[in-house]
Amino acid sequence: AQSVTQLGSHVSVSEGALVLLRCNYSSSVPPYLFWYVQYPNQGLQLLLKYTSAATLVKGINGFEAEFKKSETSFHLTKPSAHMRDAAEYFCAVSLTLGSRLTFGEGTQLTVNP
Amino acid sequence: GAGVSQSPRYKVAKRGQDVALRCDPISGHVSLFWYQQALGQGPEFLTYFQNEAQLDKSGLPSDRFFAERPEGSVSTLKIQRTQQEDSAVYLCASSQDREWYQETQYFGPGTRLLVL
Repeated sequence: AQSVTQLGSHVSVSEGALVLLRCNYSSSVPPYLFWYVQYPNQGLQLLLKYTSAATLVKGINGFEAEFKKSETSFHLTKPSAHMRDAAEYFCAVSLTLGSRLTFGEGTQLTVNP
Repeated sequence: GAGVSQSPRYKVAKRGQDVALRCDPISGHVSLFWYQQALGQGPEFLTYFQNEAQLDKSGLPSDRFFAERPEGSVSTLKIQRTQQEDSAVYLCASSQDREWYQETQYFGPGTRLLVL
């Protein structure tokens, strides 16, 4: 069984500030981990994924995430927030690539001017 | 190219009514998933198809929910005798199911169902 916990349902940052969205996972086997972003009235868009090739994963729109097995974490970061980053972000885990995703409850990111 | 499309985008149903939600996956995608996203929650898995075979339906919440993909492309999620707790956004996703390292689920915009 696998599960995902996202700490903080709402995160607010100033434009230009560091973005840090937290995700911890629980999995009985080495997991595959994902971050998706959801803009209002749109589907989920993949930001990045961890497939065991490298622990630091770079994604689209300047986001990256680091897989830390010892901490069972996969936190999402971006050095400098932009207004267009305001959206809901979901961390997800799957046991195998191509299998069902288990999502966290999401973190709503607000970017203040 | 075209992404995953879903119709209708919005559906209002009276309690007890049957509804059918359609998903058109990306052409050539083998795998198709349905998820349910309640307000303020993350998506939850409902069911999974590989071509026309429904390989996992463990997430369907009751026997009122039924999904099919008869020709291995378009899929329909049917909800019979809708209840208020069925109100949610229903998301469809598809993936190629080829090279393992390329596997990504591509999501449609969802159908927002409101049961009154």
